[in-house]
Amino acid sequence: GIQVEQSPPDLILQEGANSTLRCNFSDSVNNLQWFHQNPWGQLINLFYIPSGTKQNGRLSATTVATERYSLLYISSSQTTDSGVYFCAVGASGSARQLTFGSGTQLTVLP
Amino acid sequence: DGGITQSPKYLFRKEGQNVTLSCEQNLNHDAMYWYRQDPGQGLRLIYYSQIVNDFQKGDIAEGYSVSREKKESFPLTVTSAQKNPTAFYLCASSIGQGGYEQYFGPGTRLTVT
Repeated sequence: GIQVEQSPPDLILQEGANSTLRCNFSDSVNNLQWFHQNPWGQLINLFYIPSGTKQNGRLSATTVATERYSLLYISSSQTTDSGVYFCAVGASGSARQLTFGSGTQLTVLP
Repeated sequence: DGGITQSPKYLFRKEGQNVTLSCEQNLNHDAMYWYRQDPGQGLRLIYYSQIVNDFQKGDIAEGYSVSREKKESFPLTVTSAQKNPTAFYLCASSIGQGGYEQYFGPGTRLTVT
């Protein structure tokens, strides 16, 4: 099946810093989503982005499907951005989506 | 207020007992999913359903069972055959399958002792 790798596994930032999270995948996709898992376990949808670029406030994401990677940018980070960020992909032609990466644990220090 | 609800939030059971986790959605979505999350890991697919009265095994279906008698509901039973049932269980839904965005419920934390 499709493989998903996220990097870095852990990231510690000072409040106000910018960061880039990466997601590599091993096959063509028809779905790619970025999630933020809060301390209570809720998965919050950040972006649905199988290709192209999107922005939502301080967050933006880019997926280059031909090169099989996606990037999540967080600018001017805040302590409330802390948590685990997951990339999840759905392989083209598969009805079984989604396959999740192992996540990036982000800690933003005040 | 549309969304996905899961109950209960926390569940404790003795080893050897079956337990059923509830998942309900009022988004009018056709497809529903169950995932399992272990500490420090991503989610893994247990079962999914594209339409009422149809469901398919995911990557880790052994020891679990599901039903889909209504569009809004997709309960998951964790049977005594599941060797390591303690985990965080998340339900999701999407309009359909084949590239549609998935939305998640708040999850149920199951502890079996």
